Amino acid sequence: GQQVMQIPQYQHVQEGEDFTTYCNSSTTLSNIQWYKQRPGGHPVFLIQLVKSGEVKKQKRLTFQFGEAKKNSSLHITATQTTDVGTYFCAGPSSNDYKLSFGAGTTVTVRA
Amino acid sequence: GAGVSQTPSNKVTEKGKYVELRCDPISGHTALYWYRQSLGQGPEFLIYFQGTGAADDSGLPNDRFFAVRPEGSVSTLKIQRTERGDSAVYLCASSFSGSRVDTQYFGPGTRLTVL
Repeated sequence: GQQVMQIPQYQHVQEGEDFTTYCNSSTTLSNIQWYKQRPGGHPVFLIQLVKSGEVKKQKRLTFQFGEAKKNSSLHITATQTTDVGTYFCAGPSSNDYKLSFGAGTTVTVRA
Repeated sequence: GAGVSQTPSNKVTEKGKYVELRCDPISGHTALYWYRQSLGQGPEFLIYFQGTGAADDSGLPNDRFFAVRPEGSVSTLKIQRTERGDSAVYLCASSFSGSRVDTQYFGPGTRLTVL
């Protein structure tokens, strides 16, 4: 079945620094969705990318969908303490609607 | 407007007992999903409803798990003869139509602990 992998599993960042987390799918995705889960909370939808090579920005967050629609990345600039949490990518395969989630990248920030 | 709600927020039960977990989706959303999240993992798909019918229950781990959505709104996930391995956070999500490009909105989850 479809597998979605995320690296790194943990990201320890100094406040103010930039970092990138990566998502790779074993199959082609019709779209990729990113969620953020704060400690003790539930996944909250951030963004969806649909087109091959698409790039979307939300303030300090930049999301990219790969040309082959099998990978994606999330880049955060000038990390803040509010960025703490686990970032999940998820996507349905081309012929399926079920979301397959990666294991997430858990971000901690050093002030 | 109101988001997805789930009750109870926490459930502690003993091995072998029966539990019911409830999900109230966003009003007007026809698609409803159940996921299970274990510690340190992403949500894992269990079952998907389109209206009243279970369109896909391929994620249910075994026949101890069952879910219903009799009126196409509220859904109940039922677990019989609970086992310690069933301990996890059970998340419910809903989306407007269930198409692949729909955003799924998650509820706060029910944390199930089986002693």
